[in-house]
Amino acid sequence: NAGVTQTPKFRILKIGQSMTLQCTQDMNHNYMYWYRQDPGMGLKLIYYSVGAGITDKGEVPNGYNVSRSTTEDFPLRLELAAPSQTSVYFCASSPGTLDGELFFGEGSRLTVL
Amino acid sequence: DQQVKQNSPSLSVQEGRISILNCDYTNSMFDYFLWYKKYPAEGPTFLISISSIKDKNEDGRFTVFLNKSAKHLSLHIVPSQPGDSAVYFCAARRYNFNKFYFGSGTKLNVKP
Repeated sequence: NAGVTQTPKFRILKIGQSMTLQCTQDMNHNYMYWYRQDPGMGLKLIYYSVGAGITDKGEVPNGYNVSRSTTEDFPLRLELAAPSQTSVYFCASSPGTLDGELFFGEGSRLTVL
Repeated sequence: DQQVKQNSPSLSVQEGRISILNCDYTNSMFDYFLWYKKYPAEGPTFLISISSIKDKNEDGRFTVFLNKSAKHLSLHIVPSQPGDSAVYFCAARRYNFNKFYFGSGTKLNVKP
């Protein structure tokens, strides 16, 4: 059981470049999330989705876009990379039950130079 | 506006002693709380949770206490082991809203 899988694990971008962080889960969870973690900081919610075709903004959505065409996949798109987007990105999923927890991927470390 | 706060960035404890990690929240609508553990270069993993109808929840060496009036929760690890050395995140959620808010984490170092 793979759980939540993120790719790539590491990436270096130049300012202004674009890229997509991929996330897939095999637990049939309806809820999926993207968080970022900056050094010494907590996890900030970027975007989340409560099901295929439904997405919503979190605390720090600027500079990012998401889509949710299937239950399994929740890619995060950076359109014009900026140094402020240098961070570790975590994808997570949840069954959405009352006592459900978040299951995290291993993270994607992105550096924008 | 940080709704979940962990005011101690780090904690050092001797092996075998108790580790106490603290967390405060500001949103009185939160009624489900979780603790996550994170090792370097790995994703956070779920440790223990508590709902607002309880004031204590135990799982082996880990106990979480909730004080709703003070908007405060704590994680107790007894006895602490070197393998417990990690960053611990507190998280909170409102039932049926499914948005999880995280604190900034506390780095626990358990010395052998």
